[in-house]
Amino acid sequence: EIQLLESGGGLVQPGGSLRLSCVASGFTFNDHVMTWVRQAPGMGLQWVSEMSGRGGSRHYADSVKGRFVISRENSKNTVYLQMDSLRVEDTAFYFCARRSSGTYYYLDNWGQGTLVTVSS
Amino acid sequence: QPVLTQPPSASGTPGQRVTISCSGSSSNIGSNTVNWYQQFPGGAPKALIYSNNLRPSGVPARFSGSKSDTSASLAVSGLQSEDEADYYCAAWDDRLNAYVFGTGTKVSVL
Repeated sequence: EIQLLESGGGLVQPGGSLRLSCVASGFTFNDHVMTWVRQAPGMGLQWVSEMSGRGGSRHYADSVKGRFVISRENSKNTVYLQMDSLRVEDTAFYFCARRSSGTYYYLDNWGQGTLVTVSS
Repeated sequence: QPVLTQPPSASGTPGQRVTISCSGSSSNIGSNTVNWYQQFPGGAPKALIYSNNLRPSGVPARFSGSKSDTSASLAVSGLQSEDEADYYCAAWDDRLNAYVFGTGTKVSVL
């Protein structure tokens, strides 16, 4: 069974930092692009970042570029999201998702999410 | 700001057919395949349709997708009470170099 388990969310002040983790199981981790998607309370989904299986390619949404860094440790089946210079508008549930392998681009498995609250 | 536009809500009675539209541009839907996700309140999104019209294993056949030029649609035939959820379209955007989601549509079963 494929599982994605996020952790690391919490309350942080504006300007602060937080690192999210997502531990994967049930599949060959380094065969898949891993993605972070966020959802502000009561709002829609927003893609945040993704990283290729072997780490050679990373992409970011413009709203987080220069502040967030995605990384992964394939030996630990874990993907991270380092979030610096946090803003109130970064408050959201952060979901880790696996991108399907092969030619089809879609997010085929999702974690349950971890809540990040940026507030003074 | 979301770059794919969906109606905020859609509704129908049990057994009816409901259709949700998703409008984009040449850099996203016009160039790439469209996916649809279903999300229940308090839950994580789940893939419903990928590559415009394909269903992942376990998704009922009453869900179908289509795409034409820069727009896409999700249809739910034989609407059931358990289909009450939020639905999002998504596609890769070549200009933004990002995966973009639609604004989301809340489906209600009357």
